Order: sequence, then C-alpha cells, then structure tokens
Amino acid sequence: KAGVTQTPRYLIKTRGQQVTLSCSPISGHRSVSWYQQTPGQGLQFLFEYFSETQRNKGNFPGRFSGRQFSNSRSEMNVSTLELGDSALYLCASSLAVTENSPLHFGNGTRLTVT
Amino acid sequence: AQSVTQLDSHVSVSEGTPVLLRCNYSSSYSPSLFWYVQHPNKGLQLLLKYTSAATLVKGINGFEAEFKKSETSFHLTKPSAHMSDAAEYFCVVSGASGTYKYIFGTGTRLKVLA
Repeated sequence: KAGVTQTPRYLIKTRGQQVTLSCSPISGHRSVSWYQQTPGQGLQFLFEYFSETQRNKGNFPGRFSGRQFSNSRSEMNVSTLELGDSALYLCASSLAVTENSPLHFGNGTRLTVT
Repeated sequence: AQSVTQLDSHVSVSEGTPVLLRCNYSSSYSPSLFWYVQHPNKGLQLLLKYTSAATLVKGINGFEAEFKKSETSFHLTKPSAHMSDAAEYFCVVSGASGTYKYIFGTGTRLKVLA
C-alpha cells in the first residue's frame, strides 16, 4: 500500500507570494491533518479535514487555509508569505474511525521563504 | 484537558546500552498513546501505540513502552541502542473522545555515541 505522498518536497518562495502544498493520503483514509514544524516552535497543528469538511483547526492566522477533495486528497495554501512561514509542513492521514487510529505521516514539504 | 510532557529534550547513550525516553501524560479518561520517531528531513513514523489491550506494548525496531496508569507514564525503552536509532522521538496522546485531536509532546532528541 502506498504511503502518504506530499508534493513538492522543497519550495523556495519570496515574501508576499502565496504557495499551495499537496497531500495524497493512504488509500481508504478519509482524514487528513496538516502540521507545521519549526526548530523554535516544534510541531504545531494547523487543521484536519474529514470527508471534505474541516473538523479541527489550530491557532494559525487566516493566511493558512486548506481543503479536501472527494478523493480525500488535500491541499493547503499559505497566502502573503512571511519569513516566519519557513518550515517543514507535514501531512498525516488516518482512518479516523476512533481515537485509536494512528496518524500516518508523509515526508513533508520544506518551505523556505526569502 | 489532555496533555503530554516529555521529560528530556536530549538524551545521549552509547551504542549497545539501554535507551529510556520518558513521557508523562494527563488525561481525564483512558487515553490512546503513541510513540513516533522522526529521522532528519523525514516525516514521523509510528513506533507503537497503546490502546488499553495490554500495558506492555511492543513496537518496531526493538522498542517497547509500558503504560503505567498510577504514574501516568508511558516511557519508551530499548534494551540495546543502535547507531540508526539516533533521531527525534515524539510521545502523543489522543484527544477527548469524539474530537479526533492528537496532542504532541515537544520531542526528545536521541544521540547514540559510538
């Protein structure tokens, strides 16, 4: 079974631009979550989608948004990029049937904002 | 509210000696607990999970963890460290029933000395 796939692996953007990251979950997984990881703040939860609906949301500004498609693939968008948005963005999928369902992570997208 | 505390941000061991990574949790109900490992520039990989079936949980790569309700702990151990174990480890507790939220610890960086 293929794992969680995130594209692209690396991105370099300039301040003020916008970016879209993509995540394809494991087949059959209906939940997709996004996390931001930085050396200073560690792992921070962005949002979670389940069956195309945002079910949970972290404490990030409105510049960060996401969506999920009917095939469970998900995208996240960051508008008006800031230097502080430089991070590893991780996507995780889950069956999300119960709280026992573990998260399965992709290898992330490394975003650098200059 | 649920929370998780990883008691050491850095742990150093010599190759071939035991590994102990400590995790304490706080939960108002019987939680699901997970340990994940992250190698540099990679996503998080599930090592093991506790879901109330057995208090001693065996995972991949020789790791195991024991759930101790009286001590609210879920420490990760391995009898003999290998150089390839050098990575960051995260303890995770699932959120309250029905929320599908996951609370991550701040991580423990394991260094293995030759």
